[in-house]
Amino acid sequence: DTGVSQNPRHKITKRGQNVTFRCDPISEHNRLYWYRQTLGQGPEFLTYFQNEAQLEKSRLLSDRFSAERPKGSFSTLEIQRTEQGDSAMYLCASSYERGPPYGYTFGSGTRLTVV
Amino acid sequence: DQQVKQNSPSLSVQEGRISILNCDYTNSMFDYFLWYKKYPAEGPTFLISISSIKDKNEDGRFTVFLNKSAKHLSLHIVPSQPGDSAVYFCAPNSGNTPLVFGKGTRLSVIA
Repeated sequence: DTGVSQNPRHKITKRGQNVTFRCDPISEHNRLYWYRQTLGQGPEFLTYFQNEAQLEKSRLLSDRFSAERPKGSFSTLEIQRTEQGDSAMYLCASSYERGPPYGYTFGSGTRLTVV
Repeated sequence: DQQVKQNSPSLSVQEGRISILNCDYTNSMFDYFLWYKKYPAEGPTFLISISSIKDKNEDGRFTVFLNKSAKHLSLHIVPSQPGDSAVYFCAPNSGNTPLVFGKGTRLSVIA
């Protein structure tokens, strides 16, 4: 297993455009998380899935954001009508249902720049 | 509200000396505390953790101390090495809820 894979690594888009990111978790992990990190901040939780069910969404996740994990494997995060404030690193992580004490395995992230 | 506070945005330490990174939390329901390390252009990687039933956990050069009454934990790295230069995040957890991350402390180990 090559770990958690995120694509693309970088995305530059014009304000108002839609973007979609993909995350391929570690195959044995049934939980998948999306976090967002901006400069000088720690990762902020957005949403997570257990298998294909989306179990929790943060208040940070506006209605322009939608995430899916259709078959309980890979996940996509879509941002509609992007705004400059959406510019951030979007991180995906996966874990077993009982995560700690070994925590999550993170991907390298997708850096989004909205111009 | 900030449940996790890492009040030192940065720390510089001489190679070979001890690095001490601190973390304060407010939620008494946290039962596991994890530390992650992050290099530029990479995702965070798990470093070490401690359960709330312990007050110390050691793994090689890394030791985490937990003071539940003070809601404070610290990560000690000794001896510090240049490869330890990274951003360190404190990430507590309660039950099966998603990890909550602090803002991080950037550690620079100077050769």
